Amino acid sequence: EAGVAQSPRYKIIEKRQSVAFWCNPISGHATLYWYQQILGQGPKLLIQFQNNGVVDDSQLPKDRFSAERLKGVDSTLKIQPAKLEDSAVYLCASSKNNEQFFGPGTRLTVL
Amino acid sequence: QKEVEQDPGPLSVPEGAIVSLNCTYSNSAFQYFMWYRQYSRKGPELLMYTYSSGNKEDGRFTAQVDKSSKYISLFIRDSQPSDSATYLCAMSEALNAGGTSYGKLTFGQGTILTVHP
Repeated sequence: EAGVAQSPRYKIIEKRQSVAFWCNPISGHATLYWYQQILGQGPKLLIQFQNNGVVDDSQLPKDRFSAERLKGVDSTLKIQPAKLEDSAVYLCASSKNNEQFFGPGTRLTVL
Repeated sequence: QKEVEQDPGPLSVPEGAIVSLNCTYSNSAFQYFMWYRQYSRKGPELLMYTYSSGNKEDGRFTAQVDKSSKYISLFIRDSQPSDSATYLCAMSEALNAGGTSYGKLTFGQGTILTVHP
């Protein structure tokens, strides 16, 4: 069974630029999550989708972050404009019955 | 005060040692308790989870939950160099009365473990 795929793996941008991350969950997993993991910290949930509907986006900075999951499969997370404090690893996870499976993450550096 | 506190370490032990990793929490509604392992430049992977209080053993790993003290532990016996990773505790509330479904995860900050030969 293929795991959660994410791209790109690494991204370096300057502050105020825009960036987008892509996630392809495990086939058949209805729930998809985006987490932000700042260096030295545990992952923090940004947004949770159930199929293509948002379940929880209470910790998503909506003035600059947006996410969508069209057709209930792939998802994109966008940051516009980026700030220095957005430097982190962005993890995507998917689940079918509770257990969350994580992708390798996208490491974002904002200069 | 953070909902979940984890001693960040780092922890360095010789091969074969017993390792103890711990987390404390403040939210008494947490019912699911998990331990994830994260290798460098990889996503976290679930090691073990426990529902409510008690112990759970899986090979060299033992998870303990003490809800009265709001304290959870992961013990690794006969530690190996391949156990070197960051260990994250995570917790969640149950979404239903039967406890068969849980909600969003709240993670600790992780403990970096190095097991040297």
